[in-house]
Amino acid sequence: EAGVTQFPSHSVIEKGQTVTLRCDPISGHDNLYWYRRVMGKEIKFLLHFVKESKQDESGMPNNRFLAERTGGTYSTLKVQPAELEDSGVYFCASSLVQGWNYGYTFGSGTRLTVV
Amino acid sequence: DAKTTQPNSMESNEEEPVHLPCNHSTISGTDYIHWYRQLPSQGPEYVIHGLTSNVNNRMASLAIAEDRKSSTLILHRATLRDAAVYYCIRTQGRETSGSRLTFGEGTQLTVNP
Repeated sequence: EAGVTQFPSHSVIEKGQTVTLRCDPISGHDNLYWYRRVMGKEIKFLLHFVKESKQDESGMPNNRFLAERTGGTYSTLKVQPAELEDSGVYFCASSLVQGWNYGYTFGSGTRLTVV
Repeated sequence: DAKTTQPNSMESNEEEPVHLPCNHSTISGTDYIHWYRQLPSQGPEYVIHGLTSNVNNRMASLAIAEDRKSSTLILHRATLRDAAVYYCIRTQGRETSGSRLTFGEGTQLTVNP
């Protein structure tokens, strides 16, 4: 079974530019999550999709971040315009069922560097 | 507050058991305890989780105190590949936290050959 795939693995962009991160969850997993770790801090929750619907987006830092999951398969996270403080590692995770009886499978992350 | 308390770092020798402690003194009856680990340059990896009873799987064992205010992740025979940051995460009821995981700083486990 293929795991959670994230693309690109690394991205270096200039401040003010736009970057789009992509996450392909495990096939059949309705639940998709975005997390990030910035500036050596703790990993923080960003948002949660159930199929194509945003279940919880309370962790999104501001309106420069836009997450989509059209068709309930892969998801994209767009940062526009990028700021220096957006640098960090962005993780995607998926799970088959919502709730605490199952673990989440994380991708390897996208390391974003804004210069 | 859904945070837990873990030691910043621990060391172990290869092929010896490792006991990673976690305190969660304000845990409530519906809260689960999860353990994830993160190897270098990878995303977090699910290890184990439990509610009240001790749990075993192919990766580890989870021992939960009777009062549930603490728990211990047990790696029965540490290998070099087990060197990682281990996160003990308490998940509150869905009414409070939805499905989010609240990561702390974790415990950096070093395994000596």
